[in-house]
Amino acid sequence: DAGVIQSPRHEVTEMGQEVTLRCKPISGHNSLFWYRQTMMRGLELLIYFNNNVPIDDSGMPEDRFSAKMPNASFSTLKIQPSEPRDSAVYFCASSVNRIPLYGYTFGSGTRLTVV
Amino acid sequence: AQTVTQSQPEMSVQEAETVTLSCTYDTSESDYYLFWYKQPPSRQMILVIRQEAYKQQNATENRFSVNFQKAAKSFSLKISDSQLGDAAMYFCAYRTAAMDSNYQLIWGAGTKLIIKP
Repeated sequence: DAGVIQSPRHEVTEMGQEVTLRCKPISGHNSLFWYRQTMMRGLELLIYFNNNVPIDDSGMPEDRFSAKMPNASFSTLKIQPSEPRDSAVYFCASSVNRIPLYGYTFGSGTRLTVV
Repeated sequence: AQTVTQSQPEMSVQEAETVTLSCTYDTSESDYYLFWYKQPPSRQMILVIRQEAYKQQNATENRFSVNFQKAAKSFSLKISDSQLGDAAMYFCAYRTAAMDSNYQLIWGAGTKLIIKP
């Protein structure tokens, strides 16, 4: 199993541009989580999906952020327009709800820099 | 609501020594799961060890073990024979066992572990 795959690994963009982060969860995992990590705020849950349906998006900072999960094997997190304060590492993680002891499996993260 | 507290922002230990990272949590539930994750400088989040609350036996994974004290709501991580590769941020996390709940992990703020050669 290749694990949770995120792309790109690094992204540098100019303020105002649209940014799309991608995630492929582990096959068979039915929950997917998007996190943001910064030095100041630590690990923040942005949104999570259960069986491709968004369950809780209360962590999404503002309307500039949106996330989709069109099928069980793909999810995107989009920021439009991007701002320098969006600079962070964005993680995707997946899990199997019926086996909570497995915890989450994380992707390697996308480091976003908005200049 | 459940909370997880890691009271040590940073710890340091001499290589080959033993170090214990503390984690306490607050919950009214009797059944739940606890986890320790490691995040080295590579930034990959790696599951180190996990514990089911209804199991009294402390979990062990090679040099990593936990001291789970349910009544005290404490879940400390012991790393024996510390190695340079153990240098990382360590996060403690809680998850409810209730099947009709959401599936989020509740995270502590993390402890940075420094290994002195």
